[in-house]
Amino acid sequence: KAGVTQTPRYLIKTRGQQVTLSCSPISGHRSVSWYQQTPGQGLQFLFEYFSETQRNKGNFPGRFSGRQFSNSRSEMNVSTLELGDSALYLCASRGEGSTNEKLFFGSGTQLSVL
Amino acid sequence: AQTVTQSQPEMSVQEAETVTLSCTYDTSESNYYLFWYKQPPSRQMILVIRQEAYKQQNATENRFSVNFQKAAKSFSLKISDSQLGDTAMYFCAFMTITGNQFYFGTGTSLTVIP
Repeated sequence: KAGVTQTPRYLIKTRGQQVTLSCSPISGHRSVSWYQQTPGQGLQFLFEYFSETQRNKGNFPGRFSGRQFSNSRSEMNVSTLELGDSALYLCASRGEGSTNEKLFFGSGTQLSVL
Repeated sequence: AQTVTQSQPEMSVQEAETVTLSCTYDTSESNYYLFWYKQPPSRQMILVIRQEAYKQQNATENRFSVNFQKAAKSFSLKISDSQLGDTAMYFCAFMTITGNQFYFGTGTSLTVIP
């Protein structure tokens, strides 16, 4: 089974631009979560999607949005980029039933905002 | 509020020695899961060990074991016979059953010295 795939791995943008990150979960997983990782802050939860619906949301401004498609692939969009948005963005998927509590992560997208 | 605290930003250990990483958490839930995740330089987060809060017996996975003290809300990770490949960032996390959401600490950077 293929793991969680995130694209691109690296991204450089300038302030004010917008960016879209992509995440393909493990086959059969319908839940996809997004996290922002910065040094000293750990992983901050952005949102979780399940079957194309946002199930949970963290405390991030409305500039951060996401969506999930019928094939469970998810995208995260950040508009009007700020310098503080520079971070590693991680996506994770999980199954249901007995594997519900196990998160499987992708390798992340490193976003640099200049 | 649900929080996870890792008070040791950086640690080091000699190869073949034992090291313990600390983690405390706060939740009003009575049932939850606790985790330790490892993030090597490749950035891929890997589940190291998992503990169910209703189980008193401490979880073990080969060289990794935990000391779970539910009343104290403490969940430390012990790595025995440390290997160079254990060099990574380690994140403590928990997931509430009711909220179905994960909470992560800020991480401990562990370096194994040859």
